[in-house]
Amino acid sequence: DIQMTQSPSSLSASVGDRVTITCQASQDISTYLNWYQHKPGKAPKLLIHGASTLQAGVPSKFSGRGSGTDFTFTISSLQPEDIATYYCQQYDDLAVTFGGGTKVEI
Amino acid sequence: QLQLQESGSGLVKPSQTLSLTCIVSGGSISSGGISWSWIRQPPGKGLEWIGYIYPSGSTYYSPSLRSRVTMSVDRSRNQFSLKLDSVTAADTAVYYCARGVGATTFDHWGQGTLVTVSS
Repeated sequence: DIQMTQSPSSLSASVGDRVTITCQASQDISTYLNWYQHKPGKAPKLLIHGASTLQAGVPSKFSGRGSGTDFTFTISSLQPEDIATYYCQQYDDLAVTFGGGTKVEI
Repeated sequence: QLQLQESGSGLVKPSQTLSLTCIVSGGSISSGGISWSWIRQPPGKGLEWIGYIYPSGSTYYSPSLRSRVTMSVDRSRNQFSLKLDSVTAADTAVYYCARGVGATTFDHWGQGTLVTVSS
């Protein structure tokens, strides 16, 4: 399986801050990477696919970049409604794997 | 608007079989280029993909669960199902069903259902 290492596992930031999360794959996955937002008690929500393509209807304050093994996810200006756990997910391998998650708090 | 809803037993005894169904509404389960997955989240842990099934019935399961998982699809009822054999407490989790575009980009999810394994 391809292992996805996400960091940090949690972070605390202020409203308006720029927040960046990293995800590292154990082998080259090209741009076969998605990012999800997961709020407690809710269904996870797809934010970014193909490493950098914003899913329809997702605010442009969310962005992603990277290829190969190293990826980043950024919230340009953190708002209270962004409090959630964020996951990366690779789909280069038939066996899908998720990162361990980053819990974002204010 | 596509919606997915999980249903099934919320309490399963150790060594028994966990059975869940996902009912798809607002769209056809037979849509081209689409797969249907199960994903779970144990308490306090991250997301774990279990496997996916195509409308044709072809499947791919996580290597770590492959020996215990069976997925099936019922196109006439627009639903798909999960069976997980020989469960233990480690299988306690919130189980989600999800639609996969190109198999493994999950753009629609159910709300999730908690399954507890306990005697």
